[in-house]
Amino acid sequence: GEDVEQSLFLSVREGDSSVINCTYTDSSSTYLYWYKQEPGAGLQLLTYIFSNMDMKQDQRLTVLLNKKDKHLSLRIADTQTGDSAIYFCAEKTNAGNMLTFGGGTRLMVKP
Amino acid sequence: EAGVAQSPRYKIIEKRQSVAFWCNPISGHATLYWYQQILGQGPKLLIQFQNNGVVDDSQLPKDRFSAERLKGVDSTLKIQPAKLEDSAVYLCASSQRRGGGETQYFGPGTRLLVL
Repeated sequence: GEDVEQSLFLSVREGDSSVINCTYTDSSSTYLYWYKQEPGAGLQLLTYIFSNMDMKQDQRLTVLLNKKDKHLSLRIADTQTGDSAIYFCAEKTNAGNMLTFGGGTRLMVKP
Repeated sequence: EAGVAQSPRYKIIEKRQSVAFWCNPISGHATLYWYQQILGQGPKLLIQFQNNGVVDDSQLPKDRFSAERLKGVDSTLKIQPAKLEDSAVYLCASSQRRGGGETQYFGPGTRLLVL
């Protein structure tokens, strides 16, 4: 079955690095995504990684994938107050194009 | 490029009333999705269209929810009659096509409150 889990909350100081973790259970996942949601807004795609990769870097964002442990993480370097939001990981499997989302991690960045 | 448009942004109704939401996907995107996001949870897929055909509606409560995409562009999602537990944000997303690494782009959502 499909199940995506995330911790609920993370608090960091401005300028520090943030690491948001996600675990999933479906071994047939093909793509894994990170979305950002600000209050009252829709989901904004941040980055994604194909399941045969173990790392992807995009400016301040680094995605690490441990397929053996079914663990995905998003590292935000030099975290800014504007990064405060809810971050969702999502997986896509070979069964259609549907995304299964985690419950979201609320990131709070303190000045 | 214009993003996914949704309306209305907010809706308050009483239980047992009907409500409809509208979505206009990104131009040229063949695949359209409706998600329900209950407060404090991640989005859950309700229905997926490929052009004007339904690909997956296994999570749609068909006794009260319906959706259509008649001309393969805009889509409407209807709830009739609404229940208190339908209070949520309804998100529409679109992608160019199904499968592969196709990215889904989300609209701002319609926030529904059922009293």
